[in-house]
Amino acid sequence: DAGITQSPRHKVTETGTPVTLRCHQTENHRYMYWYRQDPGHGLRLIHYSYGVKDTDKGEVSDGYSVSRSKTEDFLLTLESATSSQTSVYFCAISPQVNSGNTIYFGEGSWLTVV
Amino acid sequence: QKEVEQNSGPLSVPEGAIASLNCTYSDRGSQSFFWYRQYSGKSPELIMSIYSNGDKEDGRFTAQLNKASQYVSLLIRDSQPSDSATYLCAVKGEGGKLIFGQGTELSVKP
Repeated sequence: DAGITQSPRHKVTETGTPVTLRCHQTENHRYMYWYRQDPGHGLRLIHYSYGVKDTDKGEVSDGYSVSRSKTEDFLLTLESATSSQTSVYFCAISPQVNSGNTIYFGEGSWLTVV
Repeated sequence: QKEVEQNSGPLSVPEGAIASLNCTYSDRGSQSFFWYRQYSGKSPELIMSIYSNGDKEDGRFTAQLNKASQYVSLLIRDSQPSDSATYLCAVKGEGGKLIFGQGTELSVKP
């Protein structure tokens, strides 16, 4: 298994509170990604990082921010959680972006916003 | 039009049969294609990647790619109940981002 650890694995939070999900990797891979998965929508990219302090938006970035201060850690923050952000969040990593390298996923973080 | 499209299913096949999963994509410049399997409550796991037109075989799995038709498929031979899962098609886009279809649920009946 790819060395990816997500925390927390399960969280229930109230609307309007800030939430931070952490992704930690031991593979020293350059690229890290945050996806969310919802019924009927599949996996959608929220944000990604191509190096320390280098991040960019994905297709569903509104309401989310990220930070990457170390190669091994990629944080996803919901500044003010809303019920629409109830979802399963997957972190993923990749060494490079050329054709020969694929993306491997962490075990997921289940977030419920009530 | 969605960038990557799959039939959501469920696709039901009897044990021992061939399961055929299909995917179309919109970006004609795409070069890398992947199939992930996801069991309920688990994370996606890579089962096949394909980059060139034609077939690629790995055990009971065969991926087929036709770039002219913008079509990629996954065949599972001798389907087993343990193959019951959701199969996700993914296409690598700009910046190495994977763009996923919504997944096809496969059910293999004993």
